[in-house]
Amino acid sequence: DTAVSQTPKYLVTQMGNDKSIKCEQNLGHDTMYWYKQDSKKFLKIMFSYNNKELIINETVPNRFSPKSPDKAHLNLHINSLELGDSAVYFCASSQDLAGSYNEQFFGPGTRLTVL
Amino acid sequence: AQSVTQLDSHVSVSEGTPVLLRCNYSSSYSPSLFWYVQHPNKGLQLLLKYTSAATLVKGINGFEAEFKKSETSFHLTKPSAHMSDAAEYFCVVSEPGRRALTFGSGTRLQVQP
Repeated sequence: DTAVSQTPKYLVTQMGNDKSIKCEQNLGHDTMYWYKQDSKKFLKIMFSYNNKELIINETVPNRFSPKSPDKAHLNLHINSLELGDSAVYFCASSQDLAGSYNEQFFGPGTRLTVL
Repeated sequence: AQSVTQLDSHVSVSEGTPVLLRCNYSSSYSPSLFWYVQHPNKGLQLLLKYTSAATLVKGINGFEAEFKKSETSFHLTKPSAHMSDAAEYFCVVSEPGRRALTFGSGTRLQVQP
């Protein structure tokens, strides 16, 4: 019944490793997002996909690569992990209504710790 | 460009007393405004939203917010705080056609018994 789910919930790994975080939504939405929440709780958009097409790509290192196999999934792959990547990553989804407001539904978050 | 300023990083109230969390926004267009709540180690939950209809918006758990265009404010209030209200609250702005949400820096609400 979970609307937006993420796996894993916790991820602890060593510097230099490559890891992936998966996100799935069962709301039938056509737009999905990744946000990063830093240690000071500040949330910032990283990426957004609409119908499997990348539409937002903020200034994120190219070590981060989102992949959307279908509208219901948006995965985040991170290469060569660095200490500064430690954060909570939130996936979200919304139904894109042209010219209208944008209510997003968030997943529970994935806490990434890089040692 | 859109931005949000939450005026207090931390607010402490006693249980049963009113809550006021302040938010000012900046937007080039008629924005949509939201309040989200994040309980410790949990995800983000939508409390309420303003989308150019009524300026006084009622949300879940007794919260409400008033959109004041002249003051560019969207303050969150609740008449009587409950212990379960202790959480981080985010004021969020969105402009029409812009898909990304812009978050404020958050206000931690502490409720004392």
